[in-house]
Amino acid sequence: EDQVTQSPEALRLQEGESSSLNCSYTVSGLRGLFWYRQDPGKGPEFLFTLYSAGEEKEKERLKATLTKKESFLHITAPKPEDSATYLCAVPSNSGYALNFGKGTSLLVTP
Amino acid sequence: DAGITQSPRHKVTETGTPVTLRCHQTENHRYMYWYRQDPGHGLRLIHYSYGVKDTDKGEVSDGYSVSRSKTEDFLLTLESATSSQTSVYFCAIRTGRDTEAFFGQGTRLTVV
Repeated sequence: EDQVTQSPEALRLQEGESSSLNCSYTVSGLRGLFWYRQDPGKGPEFLFTLYSAGEEKEKERLKATLTKKESFLHITAPKPEDSATYLCAVPSNSGYALNFGKGTSLLVTP
Repeated sequence: DAGITQSPRHKVTETGTPVTLRCHQTENHRYMYWYRQDPGHGLRLIHYSYGVKDTDKGEVSDGYSVSRSKTEDFLLTLESATSSQTSVYFCAIRTGRDTEAFFGQGTRLTVV
């Protein structure tokens, strides 16, 4: 059964304190791994797509990387405005369904 | 922003009443999805559509039905609402099976 697991569930950082979020998946044939940011009361906002092991994508203080079994979202020198829930998603083996992890709630304090 | 409109944005309804949520897209994307989001459970897939009149169940489909008679509209119906269906519902669209999804702003449904 397809499964997407994110860790940690919650993370509290001081402004400027870099860290990484993890997303592990068990789908047999990866059709892409997607990272999202979600602010309270809003829909998830697309950040990155990764397709192949070794691939990296960057946007401002965020960098997403992919291995054969997991992806990392690295946050470098975070700011309070980076506080949000970060979600990752993987298509099912057929590709029709899109399954999400439960997310990591990130709080960055000044 | 992706052209996705969910309606209504908020609804309070009584237990046992039917409820229909609407998702409308202007992007002509083939795939459309309904998710519910609850604390501690994340986003869970209810139903999805891979074309007009083509739909399938997700992991939490019990108590829900869907219809898609036009490319742009995907309806989610709760035949007889229960308190356990109190949630935030999100619609999403995708162009293909290898592509990212884009989400609407959500519908907050409260069943009392």
